[in-house]
Amino acid sequence: GENVEQHPSTLSVQEGDSAVIKCTYSDSASNYFPWYKQELGKRPQLIIDIRSNVGEKKDQRIAVTLNKTAKHFSLHITETQPEDSAVYFCAASRGGATNKLIFGTGTLLAVQP
Amino acid sequence: DVKVTQSSRYLVKRTGEKVFLECVQDMDHENMFWYRQDPGLGLRLIYFSYDVKMKEKGDIPEGYSVSREKKERFSLILESASTNQTSMYLCASIVSGKDFSPLHFGNGTRLTVT
Repeated sequence: GENVEQHPSTLSVQEGDSAVIKCTYSDSASNYFPWYKQELGKRPQLIIDIRSNVGEKKDQRIAVTLNKTAKHFSLHITETQPEDSAVYFCAASRGGATNKLIFGTGTLLAVQP
Repeated sequence: DVKVTQSSRYLVKRTGEKVFLECVQDMDHENMFWYRQDPGLGLRLIYFSYDVKMKEKGDIPEGYSVSREKKERFSLILESASTNQTSMYLCASIVSGKDFSPLHFGNGTRLTVT
């Protein structure tokens, strides 16, 4: 069935370093790849997304890259800060249905001050 | 700002009880979802509703049912709660007819079945 794999499951970095989280999807018809951040005790919230017709998208310290051929996409956070500590989920649309997502298993990012 | 409200933050129920988890959204969204969140398993879709009285099974519907009698309210029902249904349950909504819209999540209900 459709599947999204996410790695690593936990990531610890020093403040100021970069963090990279990688996801691989199985459905070649997926065309939308959002990333959600869930701080401790809070709801997941969209932080950035990318569509299949784009290879890279940036928003200040965060960026997402997409390799459609290899079916993988990555989240890059530069100059990490303690407030970046959270669980990050990648997701892929089920085919072209961008309102129906398959989520990855999550990455717990800890930024050490 | 979209508000998705789940009626309970914490619930403790006994095995075999019928459990109702309620979710209300205030943005007139057609599509609503119930997800289950477990460590190491991410967010898994239980059920999806694309309009009033319409529902569709997600990836893990076994042991659950749903009700959508009004557009703003989507209920998840555990007909006979079991210990393996102890989990965090997240409700979400999204506007339909507009591609690439974000999911809006509730704060979650942590259910413990003893």
